This record gives sequence, C-alpha cells and structure tokens, in this order.
Amino acid sequence: DIQMTQSPSSLSASVGDRVTITCRASQSISSYLNWYQQKPGKAPNLLIYAASSLQSGVPSRFSGSGSGTDFTLTISSLQPEDFSTYYCQQSYSTPYTFGQGTKLEIK
Amino acid sequence: QLQLQESGPGLVKPSETLSLTCTVSGDSISSSFYYWGWIRQPPGKVLEWIGTIYYSGSTSYNPSLKSRVTISVDTSKNQFSLKLSSLTAADTAVYYCARQGAAGTLAYDYWGQGTLVTVSS
Repeated sequence: DIQMTQSPSSLSASVGDRVTITCRASQSISSYLNWYQQKPGKAPNLLIYAASSLQSGVPSRFSGSGSGTDFTLTISSLQPEDFSTYYCQQSYSTPYTFGQGTKLEIK
Repeated sequence: QLQLQESGPGLVKPSETLSLTCTVSGDSISSSFYYWGWIRQPPGKVLEWIGTIYYSGSTSYNPSLKSRVTISVDTSKNQFSLKLSSLTAADTAVYYCARQGAAGTLAYDYWGQGTLVTVSS
C-alpha cells in the first residue's frame, strides 16, 4: 500500500493568514493526489484534484501543487469557514489511501 | 443536482453481516464516466477506502477487507450496495458512499452524508 503522510497534524492560524499543508507519498504517485476538507459530522468535500486542479465551486484561495511524492495545499487568506480538517488522498493505485489529516484551528 | 444517500441498520451484532445501500439520484449510475465507492471512518480516525464498483459490475476491494467485502450494483434501481461480513467492534465507523471519476483524476467528487454503524451486542 502507498502510505500518505501529512504535516503538520495540527495547525493554529488566524483569519487572513496564509497556510500550507504538506502531503508526502511513500512512492511516486505522479499527479494522482486529491485534497478534501472535512467539517465535524460531515462528509469530506473535494477541494483539489489531480494535485493542482480546483474543483468547481471551491474558492480560489485554495490551491494545490506538487508531483511525484511531495504535494502541498495552500490557503492564501484564511476565512472563518476554513477552520476544519484536511485530508490528502492518492488515487494512483488501489488500495486508495488517505493521509492522517491536518486539523486547522483558530489561533 | 447529484445526491447519494446511504441506508441500512445503525446497530449490528458482532459476527453478523452489515448490509448498506447507496441510492443515487440526479444522475444515472450506468454512466461510463464514473465509479461508485464505499469509504469508512472509525470515530476520530482516518478515512479508509473499502472498495469500488463500475456499472458493469466490475469491482476492486481493499485487500485488508477483501475476504469480507462484497459490493454490488443494481442499475434498475440506481443503487449500489455493500456487504461486510464477520463484523467486529473494529468495524464500527461512519460509512460513506461516493462517486469517483473514472478517467483522469479518480477523485471522489460527490459523497453521501454518511451513516454510523455500531458493532455491539
């Protein structure tokens, strides 16, 4: 199985801050990397697919980059509704695997 | 607007078989552009991919669960289903059904709201 490792596991930030979350794959996954946002008690919501493509309806303050084994999710200016948990997921090969999550909290 | 809705029991006894159904509305499950999958999340833990099915009936399962999992599709009802046998407390989780693009990204772009399944006697 491909292991996905996110860092940090938790992050405190303020409204308006720029934040970056990192995801590392245990082997190359080309650009088959997706990012999801999950709020408590809700299903994950797709933000970024194919490493850098913004899902329809997602605000442009979200962006993704990377290829191979190292990827980043950047939120350019945090808004109050962005404080939640973020997961990366590889769709390069089955079994598809998720990172352990990054909880973004208000400072 | 595409919607997915999980249905099934919220409480199942150990050693029994869990049966969940996902009803898809707003699009045909027979579309060649998508797979349909199941993902679960134990309370406070990480998301785990269970498996996926194509409208033709072709399946792919997580090897960690493969001996216990069956996913099937009923195109006439626009539904797909999950069966997980020999349940233990470790199978307690929120179970999600989701749509996955069949070409290119393979990302899960639509999810059901999830259903909590508790395994307990």
